[in-house]
Amino acid sequence: GENVGLHLPTLSVQEGDNSIINCAYSNSASDYFIWYKQESGKGPQFIIDIRSNMDKRQGQRVTVLLNKTVKHLSLQIAATQPGDSAVYFCAERVHGSGNTGKLIFGQGTTLQVKP
Amino acid sequence: EAGVTQFPSHSVIEKGQTVTLRCDPISGHDNLYWYRRVMGKEIKFLLHFVKESKQDESGMPNNRFLAERTGGTYSTLKVQPAELEDSGVYFCASSLSGQSYNEQFFGPGTRLTVL
Repeated sequence: GENVGLHLPTLSVQEGDNSIINCAYSNSASDYFIWYKQESGKGPQFIIDIRSNMDKRQGQRVTVLLNKTVKHLSLQIAATQPGDSAVYFCAERVHGSGNTGKLIFGQGTTLQVKP
Repeated sequence: EAGVTQFPSHSVIEKGQTVTLRCDPISGHDNLYWYRRVMGKEIKFLLHFVKESKQDESGMPNNRFLAERTGGTYSTLKVQPAELEDSGVYFCASSLSGQSYNEQFFGPGTRLTVL
C-alpha cells in the first residue's frame, strides 16, 4: 500500500504487504531528515534518518528514500506487521540551524495494518 | 536509563485558568525542546533550551506562554491564561550536543484540554 500525492492522512495495508508512506518537505535548505513513529499514548520514536548527501538509507525492514529535486521523502516498510500500526511523521532540519536545531514536522500519516 | 518524562499526562482546565507542564529530560542532555500538536495537525516547534538559556523561541505563539529551565535540568511550560486554541498535546524532547546526528528523544506528551 502507498499514500500517493503530497499527503493522505490514513494508509490501510494488509499484514505482510509492503507499505510506502510519502512526505513532501518544505525547505530546500534542509539537510537532515528523520522519520518518526508515534503510537497511541506515546511520544514520537525515531525510526530512521538520512542526510541530504544521500538518496537512500536502509534499516531493519525500513528504507528511506530522498528525492531532493522534488523535495520528496518516503518511508518503505517491508512485510508490514500489526505492531507497525501508528502515526508516522517525517521531519526536516534546516541547514544552518546547527545539528541541534529545531525539527519541522509534516502532518503525519496513520498506518493501519489489517490482519 | 530513564527516558524523557512529562507531567501531567493529561490536564483539563477551563478557559482563563493557568496550567504548568513539566518536562524532565534524559539525564545529562543539555538540549531541551518543546513542541505541540494541535487537533491532529503537524507537530510544531515551540522553543529550544541549551542548558538554562533559550536558544530559539521562534515558535512560541504569544506571551501567554512562558517556558523556564532554571538550573538547566527540568523545564516548565506555563500557559496563562489558557485559551481554547491551546488544546493539544505538548511534547518535550531532549538531545545531547556533540553527537553527529543529534537524535532528539521525545517524551510521552501532556494532553491539554481547555474547555
